[in-house]
Amino acid sequence: NAGVMQNPRHLVRRRGQEARLRCSPMKGHSHVYWYRQLPEEGLKFMVYLQKENIIDESGMPKERFSAEFPKEGPSILRIQQVVRGDSAAYFCASSPVPVAKNIQYFGAGTRLSVL
Amino acid sequence: SQQGEEDPQALSIQEGENATMNCSYKTSINNLQWYRQNSGRGLVHLILIRSNEREKHSGRLRVTLDTSKKSSSLLITASRAADTASYFCAGGSNGSGNTGKLIFGQGTTLQVKP
Repeated sequence: NAGVMQNPRHLVRRRGQEARLRCSPMKGHSHVYWYRQLPEEGLKFMVYLQKENIIDESGMPKERFSAEFPKEGPSILRIQQVVRGDSAAYFCASSPVPVAKNIQYFGAGTRLSVL
Repeated sequence: SQQGEEDPQALSIQEGENATMNCSYKTSINNLQWYRQNSGRGLVHLILIRSNEREKHSGRLRVTLDTSKKSSSLLITASRAADTASYFCAGGSNGSGNTGKLIFGQGTTLQVKP
């Protein structure tokens, strides 16, 4: 049973370009969470999705960021017109059920560098 | 706002010694979880303690939870060089709209010297 797969592991973009980060949850998991980690900081929640639905996007910046989790395929975190402040590690986690008492399984992350 | 605050921010010990990390949180939780992150890697779940539990053990790990003080501690006994990593506490909220999101502390960086 493969773990949570994220790709790419490293992504370099110039200011103004778009970044697309992919996350395939563990088999059988239909709940996906995205977190962002700035250098020397803990992870901050961004968005929680179920298949085809955004459930909680309270941690997402209002502009330039979007997320989806289609019926088929991986979850995508999309950042438009990237700026240097978007440089961070982005982690995806999945869970079989959404309630807080459950463990989340994390991917290895995508490290985004904006030049 | 950040749920957890951890101390110390950095801890350096010799192999074989015990390491204790503390975490405080602000809001009500269903559970508190501890994760480890090796440099440049993802997070690995270590242990989960529920809000109605006071202490839990897993191998060389011991976690305590004091809901009256809104604090938790992680003890790693007989540390090894391979324990060198950052350790994060994360609270699962039981607030309205319980979506399962985790609120992380800023972490403790542990260095175990051989």
